Amino acid sequence: RKEVEQDPGPFNVPEGATVAFNCTYSNSASQSFFWYRQDCRKEPKLLMSVYSSGNEDGRFTAQLNRASQYISLLIRDSKLSDSATYLCVVGRGPNAGNMLTFGGGTRLMVKP
Amino acid sequence: GAVVSQHPSRVICKSGTSVKIECRSLDFQATTMFWYRQFPKQSLMLMATSNEGSKATYEQGVEKDKFLINHASLTLSTLTVTSAHPEDSSFYICSATGSGNTIYFGEGSWLTVV
Repeated sequence: RKEVEQDPGPFNVPEGATVAFNCTYSNSASQSFFWYRQDCRKEPKLLMSVYSSGNEDGRFTAQLNRASQYISLLIRDSKLSDSATYLCVVGRGPNAGNMLTFGGGTRLMVKP
Repeated sequence: GAVVSQHPSRVICKSGTSVKIECRSLDFQATTMFWYRQFPKQSLMLMATSNEGSKATYEQGVEKDKFLINHASLTLSTLTVTSAHPEDSSFYICSATGSGNTIYFGEGSWLTVV
């Protein structure tokens, strides 16, 4: 079983749609959680950290359920520019600087 | 602008030769650098963790004699792929953390071994 699992997609959605991605992780000792965005042939870029209380950044909402070892990302009012691969990332320690394990990514394609 | 610079961004080398990839932190001292590899349509896989002045810690299955990592200063880590083979062709990417615990990724290096 992979340490961080994601549905690879692709998710094809029209502009303006709401789309949700899920991710599960196997290591119950994981302490930090993130969503990264990776555009084709580019380095990943931090989208947002994920906290147990849930957090929102504009059109993006992230949730963490430690009991179920489950992380989600909700994107509202999808834009064409949201097309990318979204990586669920889990850290072995409490800080962002600790070793990260990347999920395989979920590909999103937003269509006009 | 980039705070972690990786060079070269693309390299083509002949099978059996070695190639070096550099990762530099531009505005901060990186106590720890990480090297990842990403094959097409797959996730980033951690290869090794590099701490300045000490030997790198390699992940299981990564050959330390093939992927030489040197972290000689707080701003530079290098990955040398020795005796490269076509199956080593991949996207190699580094990340660095400073005192603030923020992670910065390099732009990545595309290696093609022919």
